[in-house]
Amino acid sequence: AQTVTQSQPEMSVQEAETVTLSCTYDTSESDYYLFWYKQPPSRQMILVIRQEAYKQQNATENRFSVNFQKAAKSFSLKISDSQLGDAAMYFCAYLMNYGGSQGNLIFGKGTKLSVKP
Amino acid sequence: DGGITQSPKYLFRKEGQNVTLSCEQNLNHDAMYWYRQDPGQGLRLIYYSQIVNDFQKGDIAEGYSVSREKKESFPLTVTSAQKNPTAFYLCASSKGRWYQETQYFGPGTRLLVL
Repeated sequence: AQTVTQSQPEMSVQEAETVTLSCTYDTSESDYYLFWYKQPPSRQMILVIRQEAYKQQNATENRFSVNFQKAAKSFSLKISDSQLGDAAMYFCAYLMNYGGSQGNLIFGKGTKLSVKP
Repeated sequence: DGGITQSPKYLFRKEGQNVTLSCEQNLNHDAMYWYRQDPGQGLRLIYYSQIVNDFQKGDIAEGYSVSREKKESFPLTVTSAQKNPTAFYLCASSKGRWYQETQYFGPGTRLLVL
């Protein structure tokens, strides 16, 4: 079974600095998708970034970028120029690209990011 | 504006009572999902539906039921058989091929037991 591990329960960053959140996953599949979602205090899950496993190029979305290491099964999120509004829980998630699968996202337990002014 | 709405924001259940959580989307998405989130945990899938009048059980379907009579609606009923219903419930939807598409989430419903 696929699993997603976020080894950092909490992280802290100074405003305007850069922080990297770690995520590793376990799968025997070669075709899948990886996501980072943000859950602010309002608790709505907001998509941050998506990575297709077949793409070698790392996804970027404004100040957010990923370091996708397929062989190492690692998928870290880098937040540059951190802002107070970035403070939230961040969840890494995996989706297997297979029509016979349940189709559900497999989530890690999350990393709570604090941003200090 | 297109999006996913969930109601109510807070819901209280008495012992032995069934309660229904609403989820509506106007994104014209084919697939819809229900997840449960417990404190300090990620999300776990309860049920999902790829198309109207069809749905499948997720990892933790026991004590829950769903219906999908309309494309835009996917209500979740928490039955009295669910012994530990206190949690945060999130509805999501995705378009097209559900196993390839990004899931977008609603604002959630907090269920508490009286």
